[in-house]
Amino acid sequence: EPEVTQTPSHQVTQMGQEVILRCVPISNHLYFYWYRQILGQKVEFLVSFYNNEISEKSEIFDDQFSVERPDGSNFTLKIRSTKLEDSAMYFCASSLRGVSTDTQYFGPGTRLTVL
Amino acid sequence: GESVGLHLPTLSVQEGDNSIINCAYSNSASDYFIWYKQESGKGPQFIIDIRSNMDKRQGQRVTVLLNKTVKHLSLQIAATQPGDSAVYFCAETSREYGNKLVFGAGTILRVKS
Repeated sequence: EPEVTQTPSHQVTQMGQEVILRCVPISNHLYFYWYRQILGQKVEFLVSFYNNEISEKSEIFDDQFSVERPDGSNFTLKIRSTKLEDSAMYFCASSLRGVSTDTQYFGPGTRLTVL
Repeated sequence: GESVGLHLPTLSVQEGDNSIINCAYSNSASDYFIWYKQESGKGPQFIIDIRSNMDKRQGQRVTVLLNKTVKHLSLQIAATQPGDSAVYFCAETSREYGNKLVFGAGTILRVKS
C-alpha cells in the first residue's frame, strides 16, 4: 500500500540554525500539506500546497517557514532560523485532490528538537 | 518557553469490550469528519470518515456516528484489542476551512488484557 514517507525521523538543531524536513508524498497525489504537533497538544495545520504554489497557510506559517517541491517526488519544509518553540513533530500529508472531502494520508513524522 | 500540554481524556477498556470515543466539533458548517488513530511516535492513521449528509457509517469493527444537532461525533470500536491502544483524534473540514483539517484534542484509549 502506498504511503507518505518522511526523513529524517529525528532532527536535533541549535537555535537559529536552518532545518529542512523532507517528505515523499504518495505518488499520484496532487495536494500536499504540513502539520505540526507540539508534545501533548493537538495536530495543527501549517500549510497546503498545490501546483507548485501555497494554496493556504496558517498564522503559524510565518516568514521563517517555506515549502518547496524541488523535484517530482520530494516536498520540503524549511525553517530558516529555528526557535525553541519550533520543537515539535512535523507531519507531512498528501491527498489525491484538494477538496474538503478528500482523505489526507499522513507520514510518520519528523521529531524536531531545537536546543 | 515550555508549552503546557493538554490533559487528554483517557478511556480504559477490557480486551474484548466495545469502546466509544466521543468528540465535540466546533463548526456547524463542517461537511466532512475523519477519525485518526495515532500510535506512539507515529503519524495519524486514517480509520474512518463520514460526510455531513450521513449520520452513521460502518467499517471493519468501527462505526462512526454523527449528530449534527449537537455537533457531536463518536467512534465505536467493537471487540477492542490491545492493538487498538492509541490516541484517537477526530478532525473536521469544510469549504470554509478550505482543505485543511482541524483536529480535536484527542482521547487516549488503553486496552487492558
